[in-house]
Amino acid sequence: DGGITQSPKYLFRKEGQNVTLSCEQNLNHDAMYWYRQDPGQGLRLIYYSQIVNDFQKGDIAEGYSVSREKKESFPLTVTSAQKNPTAFYLCASSARQGMNTEAFFGQGTRLTVV
Amino acid sequence: AQSVTQLDSHVSVSEGTPVLLRCNYSSSYSPSLFWYVQHPNKGLQLLLKYTSAATLVKGINGFEAEFKKSETSFHLTKPSAHMSDAAEYFCVVSDQGQGGKLIFGQGTELSVKP
Repeated sequence: DGGITQSPKYLFRKEGQNVTLSCEQNLNHDAMYWYRQDPGQGLRLIYYSQIVNDFQKGDIAEGYSVSREKKESFPLTVTSAQKNPTAFYLCASSARQGMNTEAFFGQGTRLTVV
Repeated sequence: AQSVTQLDSHVSVSEGTPVLLRCNYSSSYSPSLFWYVQHPNKGLQLLLKYTSAATLVKGINGFEAEFKKSETSFHLTKPSAHMSDAAEYFCVVSDQGQGGKLIFGQGTELSVKP
């Protein structure tokens, strides 16, 4: 089955820790995205990548980092610099970044700071 | 810059009655517009998309949306609600000025009463 796999589904982080969220796709898509979802705020773009070894900051990149070493993978690290990391994180991919191109989403990772 | 406004944060209907979820957009270009649905703690699924072909777009699960340029609207409708339609719905515009970046509305939560 083609799709986007996020892991883990639930993640707990202690204060001051870095954690990495996994996102893998087997759709052969060029573009990948990370969004953060908070209640009542819709989805906000953290980082996106249009091609391997290249990525750009989105609207709320502070406290996050990414890498794109392989086309299939786009992991997100939530660093200790992120002041309020508790949220639902969604990874998405699209065939290319451009007009008329819909994104396909993973099932999400819920991160909680304890 | 393009933007999208969902006019209702919450809509409640009875099973078997029509559904109307309202969305207005702002765009300097001819936009691409999408509706996504999200069930609790799940990823987003594409319902339908408008890409400047027919103004009435049919999607999955009996949903459809009509693009009205004069009103800058893209409202989502369904003739008869089903209990399984209860979810959060997002209206999304593709930003031509930023290479097709997706801009999300704040979401509308749909409740369906028996």
